Amino acid sequence: AQSVTQPDIHITVSEGASLELRCNYSYGATPYLFWYVQSPGQGLQLLLKYFSGDTLVQGIKGFEAEFKRSQSSFNLRKPSVHWSDAAEYFCAVGAITSGTYKYIFGTGTRLKVLA
Amino acid sequence: NAGVTQTPKFRVLKTGQSMTLLCAQDMNHEYMYWYRQDPGMGLRLIHYSVGEGTTAKGEVPDGYNVSRLKKQNFLLGLESAAPSQTSVYFCASSGSLAYGEQFFGPGTRLTVL
Repeated sequence: AQSVTQPDIHITVSEGASLELRCNYSYGATPYLFWYVQSPGQGLQLLLKYFSGDTLVQGIKGFEAEFKRSQSSFNLRKPSVHWSDAAEYFCAVGAITSGTYKYIFGTGTRLKVLA
Repeated sequence: NAGVTQTPKFRVLKTGQSMTLLCAQDMNHEYMYWYRQDPGMGLRLIHYSVGEGTTAKGEVPDGYNVSRLKKQNFLLGLESAAPSQTSVYFCASSGSLAYGEQFFGPGTRLTVL
């Protein structure tokens, strides 16, 4: 069965430090991969997505993610974190298998940024 | 454009009561979704729709019904609310199914006593 794993429930970084949020997926073929961000009390907003082609994708707010097929990973990175990046981040996988639609979210990683 | 809007924002129900959550989108999207978000469980898909007049079950459909009578609206109904349905409910819409960006509403916080 398809699944998405975000191993880190909470991450704390200092402002200006680099960030990497991990995402691993389980799927038979290359799925469609997404990262969303959710600020407190808000809905989710798309940061970036990967369908095919270049395995390093750029998103909004200075975020990027790298698709690694051999590791079944799609980790999110940012070179220098800003205090406004404090939020919860969700990795998601979209797929249509045998006519069945699935769009699966990971359980999220909550990012705290220290001043 | 308002994007995706949800009504109401908050609601408290007693066990056994019924209610309907309304989702509206003004982006002319074919696809609409209802999710519930619970602590530590991420978002789980309840039902979705691939077009006006169609609905399909998602991961956790039990206890919920949906209708898509108009393309821009997607209703989620609870016929007999249970405490296990206490959650934050999000509606989303997209222009494509598996590979489309989903646009989310602000959420409805529902408490069932």
